Amino acid sequence: AQKITQTQPGMFVQEKEAVTLDCTYDTSDPSYGLFWYKQPSSGEMIFLIYQGSYDQQNATEGRYSLNFQKARKSANLVISASQLGDSAMYFCAMKTAGNNRKLIWGLGTSLAVNP
Amino acid sequence: DAGVIQSPRHEVTEMGQEVTLRCKPISGHNSLFWYRQTMMRGLELLIYFNNNVPIDDSGMPEDRFSAKMPNASFSTLKIQPSEPRDSAVYFCASSHSPGQRNTEAFFGQGTRLTVV
Repeated sequence: AQKITQTQPGMFVQEKEAVTLDCTYDTSDPSYGLFWYKQPSSGEMIFLIYQGSYDQQNATEGRYSLNFQKARKSANLVISASQLGDSAMYFCAMKTAGNNRKLIWGLGTSLAVNP
Repeated sequence: DAGVIQSPRHEVTEMGQEVTLRCKPISGHNSLFWYRQTMMRGLELLIYFNNNVPIDDSGMPEDRFSAKMPNASFSTLKIQPSEPRDSAVYFCASSHSPGQRNTEAFFGQGTRLTVV
């Protein structure tokens, strides 16, 4: 079964500190892609970062990096130097060839950045 | 690029009424997705189209829901008759061919539907 699990319903972090949002996935498909999206209170879904299952290096995009541990089937999002504007819901998602290439979503983690 | 455009942004309707949500995908994208988001269930894929053809509608909750994509630049999601439990935020998203693993989906701003 294809599944994404985000075990942290809510997280707090102090401004300027780093925070890790957990994501584990389950798939038997050897080829898959992992995505992180941000949803601020305004409601839109914003793509943050992508990691492919065959990528040798962890993905990075500015202050976002993905800690990809294939053997553990985890794809944690690391946000460095948190800013107040990082307060939002964060969703992990997976796309596999075996699942008709549609995105499978976790339930999200709500991040609050404290000043 | 205007992004994915959804209308209306907010809709309040009475139970039993027909509701039509509209979406204009990003030009050049050939895949379109309709999602529903609620607190209880999170993001649920309702249906997706590739090259205007419905590929997977297994997420459509029941016959009251229908979706069409008459051309590459327009899609509708219709609920008839609407019920209070349909209250949710409905997102439309588009992407390039889903065959590419690394193709992210771009989302519209959503339609917040309230059925009273």
